[in-house]
Amino acid sequence: EVQMVQSGAEVKKPGVSLKISCQGSGYRFASSWIGWVRQKPGKGLEWMGIIYPGDSETRYSPSFQGQVTISVDTSTSTAYLQWGSLKASDTAMYYCARREAKWGSLYYFDFWGQGTLVTVSS
Amino acid sequence: DIQLTQSPSPLSASVGDRVTITCRASQSISNYLNWYQQKPGKAPNLLIYAASNLQSGVPSRFSGSGYGSDFTLTISSLQPEDFAIYYCQQTYSIPQDFGPGTKVDIK
Repeated sequence: EVQMVQSGAEVKKPGVSLKISCQGSGYRFASSWIGWVRQKPGKGLEWMGIIYPGDSETRYSPSFQGQVTISVDTSTSTAYLQWGSLKASDTAMYYCARREAKWGSLYYFDFWGQGTLVTVSS
Repeated sequence: DIQLTQSPSPLSASVGDRVTITCRASQSISNYLNWYQQKPGKAPNLLIYAASNLQSGVPSRFSGSGYGSDFTLTISSLQPEDFAIYYCQQTYSIPQDFGPGTKVDIK
């Protein structure tokens, strides 16, 4: 059974760093892209970026490029999303999801983590 | 970036109604279009991929159609558990953004 399990909720002050995680299981972790999606309170879904665990190739949305770093550790089947200096505007739920494909390039997120709530407040 | 718009929003409907949600892309995206359902406090759930393909385990009352820049998600007979927010997503180009969402609520 495919599962994506995320780390727990975080409450942080502005300016500090943070790294949240997403562990995949039940499939060949290195062979599927993993994506991160932000959802601010009461708002819609925002595509942040994706990473391919097999070679750590990463692609970011221009809206998030330079604001976050996506990384992976294949030895623990874990993907990460990190911030160097949090802002209040980073307060949101963050989801990871496995990206699969049909017929080579028709991509979709088929398995999602439960979400990690990040609250940034002084 | 490719922009997605959804209509209507919100959508008020009754149990048993046939419901259609539209997603329009700012340029042609072939069939690189997915639909997700999100319930309060839950992660999104994939319903339809590649415009018209039903994800495994999703009830057959859900269907998708469209090609190019205009797409629809149809629920043939709305059930109580279908009251939720529905998002389309394009995967034609990076960033593979989502539409703004359509909230389906009880009339």
